[in-house]
Amino acid sequence: ELKVEQNPLFLSMQEGKNYTIYCNYSTTSDRLYWYRQDPGKSLESLFVLLSNGAVKQEGRLMASLDTKARLSTLHITAAVHDLSATYFCAVDNRRGGNKLTFGTGTQLKVEL
Amino acid sequence: DAGVTQSPTHLIKTRGQQVTLRCSPKSGHDTVSWYQQALGQGPQFIFQYYEEEERQRGNFPDRFSGHQFPNYSSELNVNALLLGDSALYLCASSPLGLAERTDTQYFGPGTRLTVL
Repeated sequence: ELKVEQNPLFLSMQEGKNYTIYCNYSTTSDRLYWYRQDPGKSLESLFVLLSNGAVKQEGRLMASLDTKARLSTLHITAAVHDLSATYFCAVDNRRGGNKLTFGTGTQLKVEL
Repeated sequence: DAGVTQSPTHLIKTRGQQVTLRCSPKSGHDTVSWYQQALGQGPQFIFQYYEEEERQRGNFPDRFSGHQFPNYSSELNVNALLLGDSALYLCASSPLGLAERTDTQYFGPGTRLTVL
């Protein structure tokens, strides 16, 4: 059974600081997603990582994938308050055909 | 493009009742997946529909059933509601042939179900 773990679960940081969220998964996968969720809202797609060594950046967020280590990271650079949200990674092993297994989520709070 | 739409937005039911939730996929998408998100947790896969058939299913009891219509829209039915069924129910759509694409699954706004 595919398991996806994220850490930390909660992250409180000051504006301007950098930090990294980690996502570990238990079995081989060829597709990893990062989503953002604001309180009471749905999931917003941030990144899709398709291969080993893939790196994608959008604004202050950068995601990377190491399929050998079964690890993805979401790096936050110079955090701003607007980044406060819960971030989920999700893995699709393709054998399951677009069936996503989500991590536990990381609740990020950026203090003004 | 309206994106993925879901109805209703909120729903309150009592234990033992039955509920039907609806989803219209994003234009051009033919596969619909349903997820349950309990408060403070990540979404859990319920099942997926393609060509009006259930293609795969997560670890949910038979009380959870679904349907897909020829226009690709979908319904999620839950019978004999339990308090533990209270959650945000999310619908996601995607084109089936993702192997050659970078499209992701697009999620709808969700239906908040409260079981009293």
